[in-house]
Amino acid sequence: DQQVKQNSPSLSVQEGRISILNCDYTNSMFDYFLWYKKYPAEGPTFLISISSIKDKNEDGRFTVFLNKSAKHLSLHIVPSQPGDSAVYFCAATENSGYALNFGKGTSLLVTP
Amino acid sequence: DAGVTQSPTHLIKTRGQQVTLRCSPKSGHDTVSWYQQALGQGPQFIFQYYEEEERQRGNFPDRFSGHQFPNYSSELNVNALLLGDSALYLCASSLEGVSGNTIYFGEGSWLTVV
Repeated sequence: DQQVKQNSPSLSVQEGRISILNCDYTNSMFDYFLWYKKYPAEGPTFLISISSIKDKNEDGRFTVFLNKSAKHLSLHIVPSQPGDSAVYFCAATENSGYALNFGKGTSLLVTP
Repeated sequence: DAGVTQSPTHLIKTRGQQVTLRCSPKSGHDTVSWYQQALGQGPQFIFQYYEEEERQRGNFPDRFSGHQFPNYSSELNVNALLLGDSALYLCASSLEGVSGNTIYFGEGSWLTVV
């Protein structure tokens, strides 16, 4: 049973525009959410995270928004750059530091 | 400072065989988790080791077992390999008691079962 869902397998955005990647979850016990970026032949790289006590966290060009009532989070990348092209995974955990539950990923392509 | 290192990077096994994958955590980390990522899927949690004991386990059969050594390195063993075990196996390390953003992943071991 997939508890974390990324319903868009792919997304294409022009360089300089905003990229918005979405993620939904079903387990109300999740209290920590993370985004990972993955290039081919590499392991996932941590990007940004948010605790359930917050609704927004920002780090440079990356902002994550959390809507607990809707069980929805999104990652905004502004401005998008060609180097951002990768697969982005949303992950959630009930107890920070324990098992991460991942979505299937969204492949982002940023075109010049 | 070396990150999470895994070996081997690629291997091919025959159905019914056994495989051992190895992981060295990032320096200073004491907790190791293993994930399986099948093609087109997100990583699936297998189990986590802390203080040389399995602390948490995902929905994987007993054919999947592991070990953590006193130096915090870890092994993942899979017995009686099935074709469906073909996947990328990821090791992740973290520091006990610190929030989730300290979870670092290795580059993975690609296992092909034929």
